[in-house]
Amino acid sequence: SQKIEQNSEALNIQEGKTATLTCNYTNYSPAYLQWYRQDPGRGPVFLLLIRENEKEKRKERLKVTFDTTLKQSLFHITASQPADSATYLCALYAFDRGSTLGRLYFGRGTQLTVWP
Amino acid sequence: DSGVTQTPKHLITATGQRVTLRCSPRSGDLSVYWYQQSLDQGLQFLIQYYNGEERAKGNILERFSAQQFPDLHSELNLSSLELGDSALYFCASSEGDEQFFGPGTRLTVL
Repeated sequence: SQKIEQNSEALNIQEGKTATLTCNYTNYSPAYLQWYRQDPGRGPVFLLLIRENEKEKRKERLKVTFDTTLKQSLFHITASQPADSATYLCALYAFDRGSTLGRLYFGRGTQLTVWP
Repeated sequence: DSGVTQTPKHLITATGQRVTLRCSPRSGDLSVYWYQQSLDQGLQFLIQYYNGEERAKGNILERFSAQQFPDLHSELNLSSLELGDSALYFCASSEGDEQFFGPGTRLTVL
């Protein structure tokens, strides 16, 4: 069955360190992968998108890598701050078998806490 | 603020009842998506509409239905509600690959 796993339900790190979150998937051939941030009781907010033919993408303190051979994406937050504390969701855009229509499949998320 | 609005913010109802959730997409966005988020299932795609037409269907129950109107707002109808339908329901809209999520409707079925 199709599965997206975000390793570690929770990650606690000290302010200033780099947070690394992992997203592994099986049985998908994603066209692209996205990372979203979600704060408690609020809707997810888009952060970054990386396509299947891209290895790495950066945006300010954020970096995402995408390895389609390993079927894995890593999401890094450098110089982390307490304000970065939130749940981070990995989402794959893929096509159902035999369909020309794609959709997003979300992981369960990793809850990041950055302590001072 | 994503520009996507959802009403109501909270909804408390009883089993067996029917409710309607409303979503207004960002100005100009033709695609509207509905998602359900519960503690045990995570964020699950329900259905997508594009310019009034159903585009893709996910894990949507037969008791649930949706539509998108000519002004592009969308409604999600949930009927014969069960306790397990209690969840956060999100609407999102997009023009390209990035989805913009609304604040959600928290549905509690008692």
